[in-house]
Formats: sequence, C-alpha cells, structure tokens
Amino acid sequence: GAVVSQHPSRVICKSGTSVKIECRSLDFQATTMFWYRQFPKQSLMLMATSNEGSKATYEQGVEKDKFLINHASLTLSTLTVTSAHPEDSSFYICSAGQGAGEKLFFGSGTQLSVL
Amino acid sequence: AQSVTQLDSQVPVFEEAPVELRCNYSSSVSVYLFWYVQYPNQGLQLLLKYLSGSTLVKGINGFEAEFNKSQTSFHLRKPSVHISDTAEYFCAVSDLTRGSQGNLIFGKGTKLSVKP
Repeated sequence: GAVVSQHPSRVICKSGTSVKIECRSLDFQATTMFWYRQFPKQSLMLMATSNEGSKATYEQGVEKDKFLINHASLTLSTLTVTSAHPEDSSFYICSAGQGAGEKLFFGSGTQLSVL
Repeated sequence: AQSVTQLDSQVPVFEEAPVELRCNYSSSVSVYLFWYVQYPNQGLQLLLKYLSGSTLVKGINGFEAEFNKSQTSFHLRKPSVHISDTAEYFCAVSDLTRGSQGNLIFGKGTKLSVKP
C-alpha cells in the first residue's frame, strides 16, 4: 500500500528555535496534504490543508506565520514551527491524499518537545 | 460544528473475547465516518469508512462498524480479538460540506489492550 514518511519522529529543541518537519509520499503523488496536531489526551486537530503549488489553508485559530507550510512538490510537504515555545510541544502528524477520492495515508507523526 | 466522542479512553480485553469501541458524533450536516488504527510507532491506517449505502461496514482485520443515524453512533466491533489488535483506535468524521475528506475531525482515541 501507499506509504507516507514523516521525519523526524521525535525532536527536542530550545525555546525560540525553529523546527522543520517533513512529510513525503513515497510511492504516489499527493495532490493534497494535511497537517494535524494532538495535545496530550486531546483529539487530533486539523491545522492546515496544503495543495501543491498553492498557499496552505489554515484552520481557525492556527497562526499561519508561526506554522509555515510548504508544499513545493507532489511528494513533499514541510511544516516549520517558527520560534517554537513550550506551548507548541505536541504531536504533529501529516496525511497525504491520493487522487480524486482522496484516500488518506498518514505519517507516523512527530513528537515535538520545546524546552 | 461537528464533534466526535469516544467514550472509553482505554479498553482492556482478553484474547479471543469480543470487543466494542464506542463512538458518537454530533453534526448538523451529513458526514462521512471513519475508524483509523494506530499501531505503536506507526502512522494511522484506515480500518473502515461509511460513506453511504449499507449501514454495516466491514473493514480490514475482521473489524466492522454500524452506522446508526438516530443514535448518531458508529461503534466499532470485532467478535474475537487477537494480541496483534493492541493499538489505539480513532473515530473520525468528515464534513461533507467542506468537500475534502481530509478535513477530518477526530475523537480522542481509545487504547485497546488485548491480554493473553
């Protein structure tokens, strides 16, 4: 089946630094990629939807200047958490849509810890 | 707005016993319904989905779920679980008015622990 690779799986950084998370579709072209965030004991929440070659669409309450999404190719989307703070510590997970029916495939997630 | 409630955060069960993981949703519009499974250190995998038609949906690994519109529920069941079913299970809905199935709203997840 289709595979989505997400890296890194875990990152620890100092407050004020920026962290980049990559999401790659390994064996298919992803027309759409989605970024979710999950705080402890909370639901996965959709942060933004990105389409290759266009600006991402952010959900209400998500700061687009803080969470930069780049979808430069049909196989790669990146999420950059800029000037990370401890409250940004969370589990981030991406998914990629394949084709018109948009069957979704998920990455394994990234646990971000900001000290 | 839609919301999804998974009533049980953890469900311990013995091997070969039946299991039901509960999911209720609220929505003022029609939705698609999904169950995803996440095994340790892996990404979410689609177990099954309800889009339309028969309310009883069969998925992978022997799981099935029944859509009950009057009770706004989509409970997941398996008649006999295996150790390998130990994982976290997420119920999700997709708002049809938003077009993309990727706009998923997830429940908080249920951790299923199957004991020998």
